[in-house]
Amino acid sequence: EAQVTQNPRYLITVTGKKLTVTCSQNMNHEYMSWYRQDPGLGLRQIYYSMNVEVTDKGDVPEGYKVSRKEKRNFPLILESPSPNQTSLYFCASMSVSANTEAFFGQGTRLTVV
Amino acid sequence: GENVEQHPSTLSVQEGDSAVIKCTYSDSASNYFPWYKQELGKRPQLIIDIRSNVGEKKDQRIAVTLNKTAKHFSLHITETQPEDSAVYFCAASKSNAGKSTFGDGTTLTVKP
Repeated sequence: EAQVTQNPRYLITVTGKKLTVTCSQNMNHEYMSWYRQDPGLGLRQIYYSMNVEVTDKGDVPEGYKVSRKEKRNFPLILESPSPNQTSLYFCASMSVSANTEAFFGQGTRLTVV
Repeated sequence: GENVEQHPSTLSVQEGDSAVIKCTYSDSASNYFPWYKQELGKRPQLIIDIRSNVGEKKDQRIAVTLNKTAKHFSLHITETQPEDSAVYFCAASKSNAGKSTFGDGTTLTVKP
């Protein structure tokens, strides 16, 4: 089954404690992206990757890091989380060559206290 | 880069009425336009899409129209039902560019 898998689904952490949200896709998609979703603000892109070892900033990259060492994985790293990073996070992937729809992970609800 | 604007941001209709959501895009090279539905607390999922070589596409109560000249596309939902209540996102992308640019979303409420 084609899918994008994020882990964890829910996370409560404290300010300053490094965390990683994993994202994995099994569709051999070149493009992967991270979004955060806050009430009334739609999907704001954090970082995206066009292929292995190629990453670029989206609209709201401050406070986040990503890596793309393998095609299937695109982890989101918060080195020093702060309360303003409390949000719902979605990972998505799509095929660049086929130019079809984006497939989203189930979402990760992060709370930073 | 591409810029996608979506209107309205909120839409409330009576059950059985039609709902129309419109998006405009800036990059004339964009050639793929999907629409996603996001129910509360869930992930966005594709409901219908259209490519630039087609002017209209229909799937039961849902249709999408595309005007390439004016660079806008619209989602039409007929005979709305309470389960149509959700946030709807439009998006635009072009071949071999990857990155899909999303509109800000429309919260549709269907009142029984």
